[in-house]
Amino acid sequence: QLQLQESGPGLVKPSETLSLTCTVSGGSISSNNYLWGWVRQPPGKGLEWIGTIFHSGNAYYSPSLKTRVTIFVDTSNNQFSLELYSVTAADTAVYYCARLPYCGGDCYRVPDYWGQGTLVTVSS
Amino acid sequence: AIQMTQSPSSLSASVGDRVTITCRASQGIRVDLGWYQQKPGKAPKLLIYAASNLQSGVPSRFRGSGSGTDFTLIITSLQPEDFATYYCLQDYNFPPTFGQGTKVEVK
Repeated sequence: QLQLQESGPGLVKPSETLSLTCTVSGGSISSNNYLWGWVRQPPGKGLEWIGTIFHSGNAYYSPSLKTRVTIFVDTSNNQFSLELYSVTAADTAVYYCARLPYCGGDCYRVPDYWGQGTLVTVSS
Repeated sequence: AIQMTQSPSSLSASVGDRVTITCRASQGIRVDLGWYQQKPGKAPKLLIYAASNLQSGVPSRFRGSGSGTDFTLIITSLQPEDFATYYCLQDYNFPPTFGQGTKVEVK
C-alpha cells in the first residue's frame, strides 16, 4: 500500500526558509507512471497547488510562488522535498504531498494518493 | 490560471437526500477534472477523476458528469459519512486549480 509522509519543522520564522520532505513508501518515486506534487491549505481555507516534479528532476511551479519555491527529488531515499523561501505569515498552512498519475507527454491526472499533511506555522 | 467556480459554497441536507454540487471552469477543460472529499483534519480523498470515472473503492452513490466548462458531482443518497467539504480540481493545464469548496452540513 502506497504511503506518503511529510516531515519537517512545524514552526518557521518570518523571512526564513520552509523545508519539508515527503517520504514515499510502498512504491518507487522513480516510476515513469507518476509525478509528485505539493499542495497547501491555509487554516480554514481552500487548497492551493504549489508545484509538481518528475523523478528526472524536471519541476513545474505555480506562477504565484515560482520566485520563492524549489522542489527537488532524492531517488536514492525515495523522497522529494519542498523549499519555500522568505516566508511570511501568509505561508502558514497545512502542506500536503501527493502522487499524480502520469499518462505521457504533458498528460497527467489529478492526485490519487496524498500524505496526511503537516501544519507549518510562520511566526517569530 | 484557469478559474474554477464551485457552487454552492455550502448546503444543508439530510441523510438520504440527493445532493448536487457544480463546478464551472473559466475556459474549456475537456474532461480534465477531479472531485475530492475532505473531512476536518484529513487529506483530500479522490472520488472522481476525468470528470466521470469513479476512483477505486469509492461508493457508487458518487457520480460525476460534465465536459468543457460545466461539471457536476451528485451524491445520489447522502450517507452520514458524506458530511464533508467537496472540492473540484482541474488538471487541464498547469497549475492545477481547485474550486473554493462546498461544505455539506447536516440539516
